[in-house]
Amino acid sequence: SQQGEEDPQALSIQEGENATMNCSYKTSINNLQWYRQNSGRGLVHLILIRSNEREKHSGRLRVTLDTSKKSSSLLITASRAADTASYFCAPSGAGSYQLTFGKGTKLSVIP
Amino acid sequence: EAGVAQSPRYKIIEKRQSVAFWCNPISGHATLYWYQQILGQGPKLLIQFQNNGVVDDSQLPKDRFSAERLKGVDSTLKIQPAKLEDSAVYLCASSLSHGHEQYFGPGTRLTVT
Repeated sequence: SQQGEEDPQALSIQEGENATMNCSYKTSINNLQWYRQNSGRGLVHLILIRSNEREKHSGRLRVTLDTSKKSSSLLITASRAADTASYFCAPSGAGSYQLTFGKGTKLSVIP
Repeated sequence: EAGVAQSPRYKIIEKRQSVAFWCNPISGHATLYWYQQILGQGPKLLIQFQNNGVVDDSQLPKDRFSAERLKGVDSTLKIQPAKLEDSAVYLCASSLSHGHEQYFGPGTRLTVT
């Protein structure tokens, strides 16, 4: 399957620090999407990067995509306590467009 | 813009009983998804509709789960009979079309005792 696998499984940082999460996948993709899930707001779409893009920014988020290595990373800069959540990458398979979520990275930002 | 609506938010049933979940997607979204999320895991796609047609139901346990999307808008997901392992959060999502970003509802937390 096209399941994304996030690494690390858990990450704990101090407020103001940067957080980096990685994602690997196995086959060709149409795009790759990152989502955040916390108890307050449920599952929320963060950013979509297409297979022909290498980097994308949205506010404090920066996503990179390396299709030759079948990997992506999500960088959150100047983290805040409100960033505490689980982060999932979801590759969208070429042709099927189906999203397959991994187990996520659980980020804890300590005030 | 109103988000994806789901009901009920919580449901507790005994095994072998039946249960139904309802979803109202964002207006104008052609694609609707049902996911199952077990505690500690990511969401798993159960079924995907494009308008009122099924695009993918390969991971739907069809002996007990069924879903429909009449008129290409609202959708219902039914489990009959429920098993203990069906305890999970059932998430509905919608998108403009397949491949676009998905917008998720708050989910229904099902507990089967």
